[in-house]
Amino acid sequence: EPEVTQTPSHQVTQMGQEVILRCVPISNHLYFYWYRQILGQKVEFLVSFYNNEISEKSEIFDDQFSVERPDGSNFTLKIRSTKLEDSAMYFCASSVPMGTSYNEQFFGPGTRLTVL
Amino acid sequence: AQSVTQLDSHVSVSEGTPVLLRCNYSSSYSPSLFWYVQHPNKGLQLLLKYTSAATLVKGINGFEAEFKKSETSFHLTKPSAHMSDAAEYFCVVTVSGNTGKLIFGQGTTLQVKP
Repeated sequence: EPEVTQTPSHQVTQMGQEVILRCVPISNHLYFYWYRQILGQKVEFLVSFYNNEISEKSEIFDDQFSVERPDGSNFTLKIRSTKLEDSAMYFCASSVPMGTSYNEQFFGPGTRLTVL
Repeated sequence: AQSVTQLDSHVSVSEGTPVLLRCNYSSSYSPSLFWYVQHPNKGLQLLLKYTSAATLVKGINGFEAEFKKSETSFHLTKPSAHMSDAAEYFCVVTVSGNTGKLIFGQGTTLQVKP
């Protein structure tokens, strides 16, 4: 069964460093998302991406964040200069197979980002 | 604005007994509601969804949920808990169509005792 994959599973970085979190969505999906979950808190929406552009973003998704689909298969989240408060589990999701009207968002297993 | 409140952060049941995980939502529009489950070190998996069809929704692994507009609730139930049901459960709402952002509740940890 197709699934969303994410790499790495755990990323440790120093404050101020750039990190790139990678996701491979399900191949025929059209919409892509990033969410994050700070330890002990809710899962929060960061950004949605469709047709090679951001379709919606939250107030969390400031200028330090960017997303890209560089090669038609990967979907990346970049944090330019990490802060301690960026430490969280980051989930990628994808949805809407081509040719159907709707389906659920399928989530990857997450990348745990630790900023020291 | 949309929001969900999961009324219990932790629920403990014995194997073979019923499960009830409570969720209330707030929405200005007709919501779509979901329950997701997260097992340790796994991604979020959809258990079931309500999208304005039947109010009683059946999902995977014997779970079901009933949409009650008058009570703004979408509680998750299962007649008989299994050890493998131990996980974190999230009640989720979206109103931005089928491709919109998901808004998560705080999550409920379900413990199943032998």
